[in-house]
Amino acid sequence: NAGVTQTPKFQVLKTGQSMTLQCAQDMNHNSMYWYRQDPGMGLRLIYYSASEGTTDKGEVPNGYNVSRLNKREFSLRLESAAPSQTSVYFCASSDFTGTDTQYFGPGTRLTVL
Amino acid sequence: EDQVTQSPEALRLQEGESSSLNCSYTVSGLRGLFWYRQDPGKGPEFLFTLYSAGEEKEKERLKATLTKKESFLHITAPKPEDSATYLCAVRNAGGTSYGKLTFGQGTILTVHP
Repeated sequence: NAGVTQTPKFQVLKTGQSMTLQCAQDMNHNSMYWYRQDPGMGLRLIYYSASEGTTDKGEVPNGYNVSRLNKREFSLRLESAAPSQTSVYFCASSDFTGTDTQYFGPGTRLTVL
Repeated sequence: EDQVTQSPEALRLQEGESSSLNCSYTVSGLRGLFWYRQDPGKGPEFLFTLYSAGEEKEKERLKATLTKKESFLHITAPKPEDSATYLCAVRNAGGTSYGKLTFGQGTILTVHP
């Protein structure tokens, strides 16, 4: 039982490049989330998916797109990376039919030059 | 707008020196207050969920308590391995914010041997 997994662990991009961050969970959770964590800003929600087939914007969605591929997988795409998107990105999942506790992955550290 | 403020920003303790971390919050309808532990370079690790004022939960040297305005994380006789950043988050009961967590900026705890 791996919980929440994320790939890649580290990534360096040049401004304007695109990339997709991958997230998968094996806990049979309905809901999945993408956060970014910046020094002094705390964790901020980018997008979330309450259930398979639905996605909604969070607090800081600009510059990002998401895809809920199936119940297990939720990807985050940066179409044209900007230095302001340099951050650590965390994926999380929860089962809102239970305690709705969010469990986090290990994170992806992204640097945009 | 939901707000979470954690204090102090950083806390240095000697091994065995008990203390408390504070999490003050404002939320229109609380549907859970969460404590997480985050080690450097890792994702947040779930510790506790508290739902109503007066509730307490314990795990090893940690005890979390909740009032209508704040939560405390008490650390009794801490050890160096308790060194980490402790995050507090609240979940709003509102429908359109379903599942959304608002995080504080965290308290960095360092326990010296």
